[in-house]
Amino acid sequence: QKEVEQDPGPLSVPEGAIVSLNCTYSNSAFQYFMWYRQYSRKGPELLMYTYSSGNKEDGRFTAQVDKSSKYISLFIRDSQPSDSATYLCAMKTGGGADGLTFGKGTHLIIQP
Amino acid sequence: NAGVTQTPKFQVLKTGQSMTLQCAQDMNHNSMYWYRQDPGMGLRLIYYSASEGTTDKGEVPNGYNVSRLNKREFSLRLESAAPSQTSVYFCASSPGVDSPLHFGNGTRLTVT
Repeated sequence: QKEVEQDPGPLSVPEGAIVSLNCTYSNSAFQYFMWYRQYSRKGPELLMYTYSSGNKEDGRFTAQVDKSSKYISLFIRDSQPSDSATYLCAMKTGGGADGLTFGKGTHLIIQP
Repeated sequence: NAGVTQTPKFQVLKTGQSMTLQCAQDMNHNSMYWYRQDPGMGLRLIYYSASEGTTDKGEVPNGYNVSRLNKREFSLRLESAAPSQTSVYFCASSPGVDSPLHFGNGTRLTVT
């Protein structure tokens, strides 16, 4: 079993819909959780960074962490064609600079 | 700000050739990382440098060496390239412990 599981998609939704992207993980030592967006032929771009359980909102994006279920989500409201990209979840244990563990990414397509 | 700059953007090598991938960041970050991204495998950590003067192996270090030249620069060397090293290589940097990573736009390497 991989440490971080993420459905690769593709996930195709119409413009304006609410998008839900999810990851599950097995390592209970993960404390920091991130979502990255990656456009084709570009590097990953940080969208959200959270610590501990609960919700964090930034514009149209909401990140949700449920440590008891080992489950994180990213919600995108009022989705736009420009949101079409691959979304990567990432997480790390605390107290070190030893990098992130990534999910494989979900390919999202927003249909105009 | 340029952020994280990687050179070259593209490279084709023959099996057995050597090359060095260059990475520089202008954000005064302490930690730097090299990842590779392969279809179906996601991002995997090759080596990292938690601070100037230190380097450590990640998940997939075999066939690679690194040098943290100074605080700004972190290079990745392939001594004898193999077709299995065909991949997209991303360099990233971070302010330090428990901070998110900031990525460059990658080097696309093909080994024939």
